Amino acid sequence: AQSVTQLDSHVSVSEGTPVLLRCNYSSSYSPSLFWYVQHPNKGLQLLLKYTSAATLVKGINGFEAEFKKSETSFHLTKPSAHMSDAAEYFCVVSESNTGKLIFGQGTTLQVKP
Amino acid sequence: EAGVVQSPRYKIIEKKQPVAFWCNPISGHNTLYWYLQNLGQGPELLIRYENEEAVDDSQLPKDRFSAERLKGVDSTLKIQPAELGDSAVYLCASSPRTGGPYTGELFFGEGSRLTVL
Repeated sequence: AQSVTQLDSHVSVSEGTPVLLRCNYSSSYSPSLFWYVQHPNKGLQLLLKYTSAATLVKGINGFEAEFKKSETSFHLTKPSAHMSDAAEYFCVVSESNTGKLIFGQGTTLQVKP
Repeated sequence: EAGVVQSPRYKIIEKKQPVAFWCNPISGHNTLYWYLQNLGQGPELLIRYENEEAVDDSQLPKDRFSAERLKGVDSTLKIQPAELGDSAVYLCASSPRTGGPYTGELFFGEGSRLTVL
């Protein structure tokens, strides 16, 4: 069975500094992986996705993630945090045969001025 | 293009009362999902529809929860009777799955927050 583990429930950074949100996955085959973002009282929005093409995936708002099979990781990064990046971030794995999305527990990103 | 629309946004009821949530997906999206999101947790799938057919309802507590998607467009999720533990956000999402490789991109509504007193 597929699963994802987000290693930090809460991450706090200063505006202008790098962001790192960590995610490890478990899958018996090459997975499809995603990062979704949820701003307060808003719907979840897809940030980026990995589907076995390039291992470095670029998403919206300057975010990117690198798929590392040897480490079973799919960490989300951004070179410079902005106040508007403060939100809840979810790492997600997809079951290829059903398309069912399995969400991690989420990481709350706080950005301090 | 309009996004996924859910109503009501907020609902407060007493336990044992019924409640219903409505979802209008993005036009042309034939796959519709209902997710449950408890506080501090990731969303969990309740039910998935392909057009009007429920193709995955294994996580739906069928003793008190029901859902329908008549005509393969709008959907309603009902809880009867509600319990204290049902307090959560109920998310609706849709996707334009066409039968090819699944892209995994879902478009979510803003959710319906239920508080059961």
